[in-house]
Amino acid sequence: DAGITQSPRHKVTETGTPVTLRCHQTENHRYMYWYRQDPGHGLRLIHYSYGVKDTDKGEVSDGYSVSRSKTEDFLLTLESATSSQTSVYFCAISRTGAANEKLFFGSGTQLSVL
Amino acid sequence: RKEVEQDPGPFNVPEGATVAFNCTYSNSASQSFFWYRQDCRKEPKLLMSVYSSGNEDGRFTAQLNRASQYISLLIRDSKLSDSATYLCVVQTSRSYSGAGSYQLTFGKGTKLSVIP
Repeated sequence: DAGITQSPRHKVTETGTPVTLRCHQTENHRYMYWYRQDPGHGLRLIHYSYGVKDTDKGEVSDGYSVSRSKTEDFLLTLESATSSQTSVYFCAISRTGAANEKLFFGSGTQLSVL
Repeated sequence: RKEVEQDPGPFNVPEGATVAFNCTYSNSASQSFFWYRQDCRKEPKLLMSVYSSGNEDGRFTAQLNRASQYISLLIRDSKLSDSATYLCVVQTSRSYSGAGSYQLTFGKGTKLSVIP
């Protein structure tokens, strides 16, 4: 299995508080992604990174920001959490972002916003 | 029409049965196709890529029909361990070139339960 660690694995927080989720990889892959998974929806891309300090928005980026200061770490921040951000968050990595390339996923973070 | 559509199931089949999952996609410019498997409360993992000529990996066969924008996955001789949700994934080029040139669109998944 690819070396991807997400932390925390579970988090309960209150509406309006800031939350940061961390993704750490040991594969030296260039691309990193944050997805959310909700009942009734497929996995949806929040943000992705194609290198240190290089990030771009996905399809559901509102209310989220990201940072990548090192190849191995990709942080997802909810500046002011809302109940609609209750979800399972998956980090994923790919080596070069090329066509037909396999994505490796982390184990996920279950976030509950009360 | 939704971008990637799958029958949500659940499909409840006995051990040893053959089961087929279908998936349709709306963007005719889509280039690459995959099936991922997701066990309950786990992360998705790549099961197989889908090639234009169709491809097989043991008990699993994937087929692509570009004209109909249709992808299928056939599982023969189902095992209890095949119980999972199967995600259809379509890859498309972004509208601009350069970094992050490809995007993946995931279907909602089809749940399979193989029963003893």
